[in-house]
Amino acid sequence: DGGITQSPKYLFRKEGQNVTLSCEQNLNHDAMYWYRQDPGQGLRLIYYSQIVNDFQKGDIAEGYSVSREKKESFPLTVTSAQKNPTAFYLCASSISTGTRNTGELFFGEGSRLTVL
Amino acid sequence: QQQVKQSPQSLIVQKGGISIINCAYENTAFDYFPWYQQFPGKGPALLIAIRPDVSEKKEGRFTISFNKSAKQFSLHIMDSQPGDSATYFCAAASNDYKLSFGAGTTVTVRA
Repeated sequence: DGGITQSPKYLFRKEGQNVTLSCEQNLNHDAMYWYRQDPGQGLRLIYYSQIVNDFQKGDIAEGYSVSREKKESFPLTVTSAQKNPTAFYLCASSISTGTRNTGELFFGEGSRLTVL
Repeated sequence: QQQVKQSPQSLIVQKGGISIINCAYENTAFDYFPWYQQFPGKGPALLIAIRPDVSEKKEGRFTISFNKSAKQFSLHIMDSQPGDSATYFCAAASNDYKLSFGAGTTVTVRA
């Protein structure tokens, strides 16, 4: 089945540790995104990538890093510089139609990170 | 600062009733307005979407109403069912790949 796979589903981290969240898609989508979800704040964009080896900061990129070495993979690293990393992280992808964003995102099931 | 303001934060409706969620935006560059539905522990999924050249779009029991001059749009869930209990997000997109989401509305449908 085509879709987006995020792992791990639950992750616990001690303060000061970096952690990497995995996101893999087999939808052959060009664009991939990372969102952070906190109660009452909706979804906020962390990073996005339109093509391989290229990515841009979203609205809340500080304390996060990404890479896009393969079309199907877009891992997110939550670094120790992120002040409040406990959240639900969602990866998404979309068909890239030139410069037009259709708004149709396909989401994974999320990774819940808790900092102890 | 959120570019899309969504209300209410939560609502409770009886089975068979109508759920109404409202969203407003300021950025006139937005030209695509999707709604996403999210069940607990899952990622959001696209429910229905509209472009500003259309004032209303209906898909089954779900209807989007769009008021371009007021920069407002709303989701109506007709004949609400317990299976509709979820969190609903409105969103807005322009051509820079950055989709802005509202804060979400948790809908509870009581049987």
